[in-house]
Formats: sequence, structure tokens, C-alpha cells
Amino acid sequence: QSVLTQPPSVSAAPGQKVTISCSGSSSNIGNNYVSWYQQLPGTAPKLLIYENNKRPSGIPDRFSGSKSGTSATLGITGLQTGDEADYYCGTWDSSLSVLFGGGTKLTVL
Amino acid sequence: EVQLVESGGGLVKPGGSLRLSCAASGFTFSSYSMNWVRQAPGKGLEWVSSISSSSSYIYYADSVKGRFTISRDNAKNSLYLQMNSLRAEDTAVYYCARGDFGQYFDYWGQGTLVTVSS
Repeated sequence: QSVLTQPPSVSAAPGQKVTISCSGSSSNIGNNYVSWYQQLPGTAPKLLIYENNKRPSGIPDRFSGSKSGTSATLGITGLQTGDEADYYCGTWDSSLSVLFGGGTKLTVL
Repeated sequence: EVQLVESGGGLVKPGGSLRLSCAASGFTFSSYSMNWVRQAPGKGLEWVSSISSSSSYIYYADSVKGRFTISRDNAKNSLYLQMNSLRAEDTAVYYCARGDFGQYFDYWGQGTLVTVSS
């Protein structure tokens, strides 16, 4: 069981918006940056969001990130079938370890 | 173009050893911290270990501390993970990833599968 809590699955129709939450504590999310990763089926993870809300070059602005207190949220607008993937949040913990959420499977109906 | 290519995975018996390698190209390897992250079949991501650019700082997950050793050779642009006393629960795809400790992982390799089974 992961220290960072994500919903196991979310779903929405094409063109709609979805949000994925990531809940932690003051020892991790509360005092550190959050990053988000997309893992398409059968592929390696890919950085989607870093430092809570920044997008690497090449990531469309349909993807957004935010953080408030000990929780973070990934938002995806204009859903496409190609967005179907597992999404993971990540952060650092004061125990000198890197933490990942348990992952959220996005289904685009 | 940044490339990270892992190798060295395979089938090993419980209690055995394996050494993974990650060949880096397309960036100044010696300027970046590097990491190993694993993913058990059908499971989520689990951080394994991190090493700073000059090997001065090294961190391990509790689950592998004392059994795994991370190292790097900046002259060869390579990252390594020596895995000893392997257990069934170490079975996973192992990814190397670039990124400073406590920050984010911006590039990942394609992974190498390690299977621990008798």
C-alpha cells in the first residue's frame, strides 16, 4: 500500500475533463514538489508534470497540475483515446526516499 | 536526444545475484544524478535507489538496503545496480531514470526484466 493515495481508476468520455488526486502528508507532498508520470500500456513512464504545475517541452497544455496542502491534482482536458494510460504521482519524503502513488488507470469511454 | 538503455536482466534463482547496467547518451552524464525504479508485474512504480552525479550521495529504499548497490562510471556514461540475495519479490521491470534526488525523473529507459524464481 502506497504512502501516496490515488484513486485506482477514473473514466470519462472523449472531449471531457478528468482529474486525478494524490493525497499524502506533511512529510512528503506538504513540503516538497510533486511530479506526475504517464505510462502508456507496455511502455516506460514519461514525465508529464514537474514542480507541481510545470509541463516539460512537448507536453500539451491539456495536462495541468496543482497542489494544495498535502494533496496534488492532475487535470486532463479534451480527453482523447490516446490518453488511456496509468498515471502516477511522485514526490520526495523527509525519510530520504522517493515516493510514488499507487497509480490511477484512466479509461476514455 | 537523451537515451537510456538498460541491460542485464534475466532469470535468477532466489538468493542469486545479478548486475544491471544502464548506458546513457545524448547528455552530459556526469552532471546528473541517476536513479533506479522498478515495477513488479501488474503493479505500480517503486523507487529503488539514487546516486548523485559524483557518487557522493547514495540512497536506497528500505526494501533493498543491504542487498543492492548502486554505482556509476562517468567515464563510460554508465549506471549500474548490483543486486545480491535476490528474492521472489524483487521480480520486476527495472528502469533507470535521470533526475536529481528529491526532484523529478525527466527521462526513463525502456526497462529490463528481472525474474527471481526457482
